[in-house]
Amino acid sequence: NAGVMQNPRHLVRRRGQEARLRCSPMKGHSHVYWYRQLPEEGLKFMVYLQKENIIDESGMPKERFSAEFPKEGPSILRIQQVVRGDSAAYFCASSPFVAGFSGNTIYFGEGSWLTVV
Amino acid sequence: DAKTTQPTSMDCAEGRAANLPCNHSTISGNEYVYWYRQIHSQGPQYIIHGLKNNETNEMASLIITEDRKSSTLILPHATLRDTAVYYCIVRVVQTQGGSEKLVFGKGTKLTVNP
Repeated sequence: NAGVMQNPRHLVRRRGQEARLRCSPMKGHSHVYWYRQLPEEGLKFMVYLQKENIIDESGMPKERFSAEFPKEGPSILRIQQVVRGDSAAYFCASSPFVAGFSGNTIYFGEGSWLTVV
Repeated sequence: DAKTTQPTSMDCAEGRAANLPCNHSTISGNEYVYWYRQIHSQGPQYIIHGLKNNETNEMASLIITEDRKSSTLILPHATLRDTAVYYCIVRVVQTQGGSEKLVFGKGTKLTVNP
């Protein structure tokens, strides 16, 4: 079984450009999470999505950041007009969903490293 | 904010059991305890999770106290490759809105020494 796939693994952008990070969940998983890890810091929750719906975006910066999980295709984390402070590792995780059950296993991808120059 | 507290760092001798403690005194009745580890520059690796019963798999054992206010992750025979940051996480469940997420704390840096 393929795990959570993220691409690109490494991305370099100049200040002001856009960054698009993609995440393909594990087969059978309908829910996706995005986390950000700044250098030498822990993982910070950004957003929780199911297909065509954002469930929780409480950790997402209000400007320049957006996320989607379309009916077909991978989940996309989009960062517009990147700044140096956006340089970080962005991790995607996925889980299956069973209504009323919060004990599903959540698996993480290997991350996408964004460097803004 | 994370609902767990862990020691900042621990050491363990190779071949010995590593026992990593975690306090989660404000855990709610339907919230699971998850353990992940992260080796430098890699994605968090799932280890184990549980609600109230002790759990064991091929990687580790999870012992949860009866009052569920604390737990211990046990790596039975630590190897050098087990050196990593270990995160104990309570999966937060919000009844309104249906959000369920893992809130990471700072974790325990486990160093396995030869």
